[in-house]
Amino acid sequence: DGGITQSPKYLFRKEGQNVTLSCEQNLNHDAMYWYRQDPGQGLRLIYYSQIVNDFQKGDIAEGYSVSREKKESFPLTVTSAQKNPTAFYLCASSIIGFGAGDPDTQYFGPGTRLTVL
Amino acid sequence: QKEVEQDPGPLSVPEGAIVSLNCTYSNSAFQYFMWYRQYSRKGPELLMYTYSSGNKEDGRFTAQVDKSSKYISLFIRDSQPSDSATYLCAMSAILGNEKLTFGTGTRLTIIP
Repeated sequence: DGGITQSPKYLFRKEGQNVTLSCEQNLNHDAMYWYRQDPGQGLRLIYYSQIVNDFQKGDIAEGYSVSREKKESFPLTVTSAQKNPTAFYLCASSIIGFGAGDPDTQYFGPGTRLTVL
Repeated sequence: QKEVEQDPGPLSVPEGAIVSLNCTYSNSAFQYFMWYRQYSRKGPELLMYTYSSGNKEDGRFTAQVDKSSKYISLFIRDSQPSDSATYLCAMSAILGNEKLTFGTGTRLTIIP
């Protein structure tokens, strides 16, 4: 059963703590993405990676870090430097160029809702 | 001005009605257009994908792109309560670029 999994579904963090959100895909997609979704603001890109051991900052990377040690995994760490981390976090993946499926279309995981206490 | 504008709604229509959802954009380089549906507290799921101008139909859903007006639409015929969700438009400029620009989403409710 192919897809994208994110864990945990809900996460609570105390101020000043770092937390790591998990994202795993078994779609054999090359590219993976992290978005943040806030009410009324749509999806904003945090980081993306097109290949193992390489990643690029998105529009709102400050206070976040990522790693891409395996093709299947793209964990996101929300650091204490992120001033307003309470949000819904979405991971996505896509193929690059031509291949199975429509190019440039991204497939999303179920999301992690992070709340800072 | 945002690159992609989408009326956030909320939009409420009776069951069986035709729904029209729209996005406008300012970047003339956009060529690839997508519609995603997002149920409450879930991840978005891809509904439709279109390239350049024209129409694409899939069951009750029709996606329309007018590049001359920088305007895209999603039509839902015979709307059902299960269509109640937030609909997000997304677009990209370069094949293989993988960077999508999203609208803010329109929240739709179908009233039984």
